Amino acid sequence: GAGVSQSPRYKVAKRGQDVALRCDPISGHVSLFWYQQALGQGPEFLTYFQNEAQLDKSGLPSDRFFAERPEGSVSTLKIQRTQQEDSAVYLCASSLALGGSYTDTQYFGPGTRLTVL
Amino acid sequence: AQKVTQAQTEISVVEKEDVTLDCVYETRDTTYYLFWYKQPPSGELVFLIRRNSFDEQNEISGRYSWNFQKSTSSFNFTITASQVVDSAVYFCALRGGADGLTFGKGTHLIIQP
Repeated sequence: GAGVSQSPRYKVAKRGQDVALRCDPISGHVSLFWYQQALGQGPEFLTYFQNEAQLDKSGLPSDRFFAERPEGSVSTLKIQRTQQEDSAVYLCASSLALGGSYTDTQYFGPGTRLTVL
Repeated sequence: AQKVTQAQTEISVVEKEDVTLDCVYETRDTTYYLFWYKQPPSGELVFLIRRNSFDEQNEISGRYSWNFQKSTSSFNFTITASQVVDSAVYFCALRGGADGLTFGKGTHLIIQP
């Protein structure tokens, strides 16, 4: 079956522009996660949804970052007034089980590489 | 706070050699899960294995094996008879009380033909 998909795969933005990154999770997956991966580093957790509810946004680096999942399926990560330090790969993952369960495995999409000039 | 340490930044071996990737973790949670992911040059993280904190039994899957030792907070990954296709960045990750995974910085594995 189809895995997690993300679009666009590559995005170049000028400093100060707003960007929107899309994630389509695996069909039927309840939980959805966003991570930020800087060059040469491991992914870092940004935020987590259980269906349409955003249960944890502790990893969002600033109030310029905003995520939503209005119908409990597709999610959008929006970054306002982009800065050069926002340049990274943004990874989306989904899992089948409800949040709070340690047993669910997260399956990742290919990521969106954001470059801010 | 949770932490995952992968001390080996890069490992280079010749094809057919065995190689072990180290992972050491820190957590105050009594229940937690450990994961290994592979990230090939294409960039997508590929799930390899999940282990819970109550099961220290080692696991083997083909050429891959994992050694979980709770006493030393380690979850090491061994590839036997390495192949060029094994070349990738490998991440160890931990999930405890927090919702997201805590990843190590990754080990870049290079298998030379």
